[in-house]
Amino acid sequence: AQTVTQSQPEMSVQEAETVTLSCTYDTSENNYYLFWYKQPPSRQMILVIRQEAYKQQNATENRFSVNFQKAAKSFSLKISDSQLGDTAMYFCAFMKRYGNQFYFGTGTSLTVIP
Amino acid sequence: ETGVTQSPTHLIKTRGQQVTLRCSSQSGHNTVSWYQQALGQGPQFIFQYYREEENGRGNFPPRFSGLQFPNYSSELNVNALELDDSALYLCASSTDRDYGYTFGSGTRLTVV
Repeated sequence: AQTVTQSQPEMSVQEAETVTLSCTYDTSENNYYLFWYKQPPSRQMILVIRQEAYKQQNATENRFSVNFQKAAKSFSLKISDSQLGDTAMYFCAFMKRYGNQFYFGTGTSLTVIP
Repeated sequence: ETGVTQSPTHLIKTRGQQVTLRCSSQSGHNTVSWYQQALGQGPQFIFQYYREEENGRGNFPPRFSGLQFPNYSSELNVNALELDDSALYLCASSTDRDYGYTFGSGTRLTVV
């Protein structure tokens, strides 16, 4: 079974500053994907960034980057130059390669303070 | 492409009733998954449909059932509603079970 743990229920950051959200996971799989999703009050899950486990290079998408530590089963999200629109719930998720379901963590509520 | 549309956005039902939630996927998205998101929790996988056949199910009882139609729409049916079924129900679709899923904005179901 796969589990995803987000140990920070709530976080806040000043606008323009940098914040890091933590995620750990447990799996016996070797081939899988990891994701960070953003869920604003509109409720739609929006993909922030995706990492393939077989790639050693950390994924980056503009202001968003990850620190993927496969041996430690850790997958943190760094948001640089935080903006008010980044305020949302952030979910870490796992999917086996060729799998049919996401395994989500319990989420981190991020508030960007003006 | 018009994204993933779910209806209704909100719904209130009485315990013991039945409910049908609908999802309209993007053209070409032959894979649809349904998730239940209880308040303060991450989404939990209910089941997936691929080319109109069930392709995996999470830890949900048989009173949760689904259908997928050739026009890329799908339904989630829940019978004998219980108070604990109150949640946000999300659908997500993709092409050929790849991991590029698009989520809808969900249906908020309240059971009283």
